[in-house]
Parts: sequence; structure tokens; C-alpha cells
Amino acid sequence: EAGVTQSPTHLIKTRGQQATLRCSPISGHTSVYWYQQALGLGLQFLLWYDEGEERNRGNFPPRFSGRQFPNYSSELNVNALELEDSALYLCASSLGGRMDNEQFFGPGTRLTVL
Amino acid sequence: GENVEQHPSTLSVQEGDSAVIKCTYSDSASNYFPWYKQELGKRPQLIIDIRSNVGEKKDQRIAVTLNKTAKHFSLHITETQPEDSAVYFCAALTGNTPLVFGKGTRLSVIA
Repeated sequence: EAGVTQSPTHLIKTRGQQATLRCSPISGHTSVYWYQQALGLGLQFLLWYDEGEERNRGNFPPRFSGRQFPNYSSELNVNALELEDSALYLCASSLGGRMDNEQFFGPGTRLTVL
Repeated sequence: GENVEQHPSTLSVQEGDSAVIKCTYSDSASNYFPWYKQELGKRPQLIIDIRSNVGEKKDQRIAVTLNKTAKHFSLHITETQPEDSAVYFCAALTGNTPLVFGKGTRLSVIA
């Protein structure tokens, strides 16, 4: 069974630009979660999508947004990039509807903002 | 909202010794507590979890204990091996709100 995949692996942007990160969940999973992993801060919850709808949002500014497509893949968009947005962005997927279903993580996208 | 504190931030043990990582949480309604292991350069993986109706759970060399009264839970790894070296994250969940993670413990097992 294929795991969660993310693209690109690395992304380098300059301040003020926009970044788009993509995630494909495990087949059969309808929930997708996005986390930011900055050095020393653990995993910070960004967004949760289930069945195409945004279910919950973490404490991040509105320039962090996303969507989930009919095939359950997801996209995270970060507008007006700031230096502190540099981090590893992890996507996870699970069976839908419940936050306590096991979350399976992707390999992450390393975003560097110069 | 929920707050999860994790200690220690780094831990070094000799191979074969035990390792204990502790987490405290703030929301008494939290009911699900997973532990994730993240090896260097790899994705986090769930290694064990516990729900609030259980006090202890074991899986081979790893165990998790939960004290609801004190609002803390711990990961215990016995007979540590070099491949146990990784960053371990605890997390807590209340209902259907997002998982809140601790900041991680970097475990080094010295051969």
C-alpha cells in the first residue's frame, strides 16, 4: 500500500512570494491534516480537511490556506511568505471523521524562505 | 485550549537501559494520547497510543502509562537499542479538536 506522498520535497522562495504544497493521502483515507514543524517547536497543527471541507484550523494567520480536492488530495497555500515560515510542512492522512484515528504522515516539504 | 509539556528535551541512555519520557496536559477532558517516533530525516510514525479509559498499555519493549488525576502520561522504553535513537513526540486530543503535540524529546542510545 502506498503511503502519504508530498510534493515538492524542497521549495525555496523569497519573502513576499507564494508557495503551494501538495499532499496525496493513503487510498481510502478522507481526512488530511497539515502541520508545520519548525526547529525546536514540535508539530504545530495548521489545517484539517475531511470530505472536501475544512473541519478545523490552527492558530495561524489567514495567509495560510488550503483545500481538498474530490480525490481527497490536498493543497496548502502560503501567501506573502515571511522568513519565519521556513519549516518542514508535514501532511498526514487518516480514515475520516475522527481526530483520534491514526494519522499517517508524509515525508514533508522543506520550505525555505530567503 | 490544550497545552502539552514534554520532558526532558534530550535524553541519553546506555544501550540496554530504560528510557522514560513524561508529558503533562492541561485539559482534563483530553481522551486520546498518542506517541510518535521521528527518526532523523524521516516522517513521524505512531508507536503507541492510549485512551482515557485505560491506565497502561504495552507493546513489546514500549509502554505508556496515564494518570488522569495528575494529568500526565509517560512513555517507557525498556532494553533500549541504538535503533531507538530518535525524536519522540507526545500528543493529546480532546474530542474532535486537533492533536496538540509536545515539543519532542531527542533520545540517544549509546552503544
